[in-house]
Amino acid sequence: KNEVEQSPQNLTAQEGEFITINCSYSVGISALHWLQQHPGGGIVSLFMLSSGKKKHGRLIATINIQEKHSSLHITASHPRDSAVYICAVSFNNDMRFGAGTRLTVKP
Amino acid sequence: EPEVTQTPSHQVTQMGQEVILRCVPISNHLYFYWYRQILGQKVEFLVSFYNNEISEKSEIFDDQFSVERPDGSNFTLKIRSTKLEDSAMYFCASSERGTGATGELFFGEGSRLTVL
Repeated sequence: KNEVEQSPQNLTAQEGEFITINCSYSVGISALHWLQQHPGGGIVSLFMLSSGKKKHGRLIATINIQEKHSSLHITASHPRDSAVYICAVSFNNDMRFGAGTRLTVKP
Repeated sequence: EPEVTQTPSHQVTQMGQEVILRCVPISNHLYFYWYRQILGQKVEFLVSFYNNEISEKSEIFDDQFSVERPDGSNFTLKIRSTKLEDSAMYFCASSERGTGATGELFFGEGSRLTVL
């Protein structure tokens, strides 16, 4: 049983489109992380959330603790946003990862 | 900007050999982690380390794995007798506070291990 489920698995968008990636989890968590994995493999932390909503530039992340659900939104998407977006949840110092959403933004 | 550095970036080894992967975490961080990602699969937690001891480990982190902070800067992952299935990208990460206390993670670029 996957503790972290992401949807969609793959997403192709045209430049400028609004993107939403969803994450559901089944365990009690301390925090939820949204990560970006570049084509070269490197991982960058985008957001860490324990409640509410965070915004950074064109990226917005929300979490609903009661529903065990989080969303990552990208406004005005750009080809440079093409990457794999990974949802991960932490409890104690353990961490469980989703399988990732591969986003391709076409010019 | 401070960063986590990992060496080597790529290591090729024969099955049964010992491998040590090295990481230099961000200097004021107190929590250190190793994760791995088998090609085409999701990232998996291996171990977390705080105050010179393991604080959490996954079922993957069996007796062939060990971690050490041999000096004030390096954090190492040792795989004692490598198997083919150990081939993966290994990521080190560090945080100022633990992920259980909502500490933000900073990842290294990864060390790709290929076991032949």
